[in-house]
Amino acid sequence: AQKVTQAQTEISVVEKEDVTLDCVYETRDTTYYLFWYKQPPSGELVFLIRRNSFDEQNEISGRYSWNFQKSTSSFNFTITASQVVDSAVYFCALGRYYGGATNKLIFGTGTLLAVQP
Amino acid sequence: IAGITQAPTSQILAAGRRMTLRCTQDMRHNAMYWYRQDLGLGLRLIHYSNTAGTTGKGEVPDGYSVSRANTDDFPLTLASAVPSQTSVYFCASSVEDDTRYGYTFGSGTRLTVV
Repeated sequence: AQKVTQAQTEISVVEKEDVTLDCVYETRDTTYYLFWYKQPPSGELVFLIRRNSFDEQNEISGRYSWNFQKSTSSFNFTITASQVVDSAVYFCALGRYYGGATNKLIFGTGTLLAVQP
Repeated sequence: IAGITQAPTSQILAAGRRMTLRCTQDMRHNAMYWYRQDLGLGLRLIHYSNTAGTTGKGEVPDGYSVSRANTDDFPLTLASAVPSQTSVYFCASSVEDDTRYGYTFGSGTRLTVV
């Protein structure tokens, strides 16, 4: 069975602090995809990143960075020098390499990040 | 602007009433999905359609039905609404039925059943 766990329900930080959002996944597949989505207070879901399981290279995009470790089944998301605009719910998701009739994106329960000015 | 349009944006519905949530995409994506978002539960798949003319059940399909008469439209129907269906509903689409492409989401419909 596949599962995504985001143990942090809510995180509150002060602006300019660094913050890491944890994501742990379970799958028996050797090849799969991992995603992060952002849901700002306006409610829409915004795609942030996709990572293939066979590419463990970490990625940095501006203040955002992602640490993918197959050994610990984790795909953590770090925001450096957080800003108020980073306040949102962040979802981690898992997808199987092979699509098929029943293989759809599975989401974690989300982490609410509140960045205080 | 290309994307997914959901309607209505929000709705208050009396229990027992029938309701159809609309979803239209203009990206010519083959696959479409309906998720519901509930606090503490994240997003859960209700129904999906891998291509026009086909549909399938997701994790929480009871009380909902869908149809996919064409590529662009994927309406979700609540035949007889109950308070437990109070939720935010998201429609999504993907180029193909393959998670490697990720999903594009609509802006959601907030439904309250009273």
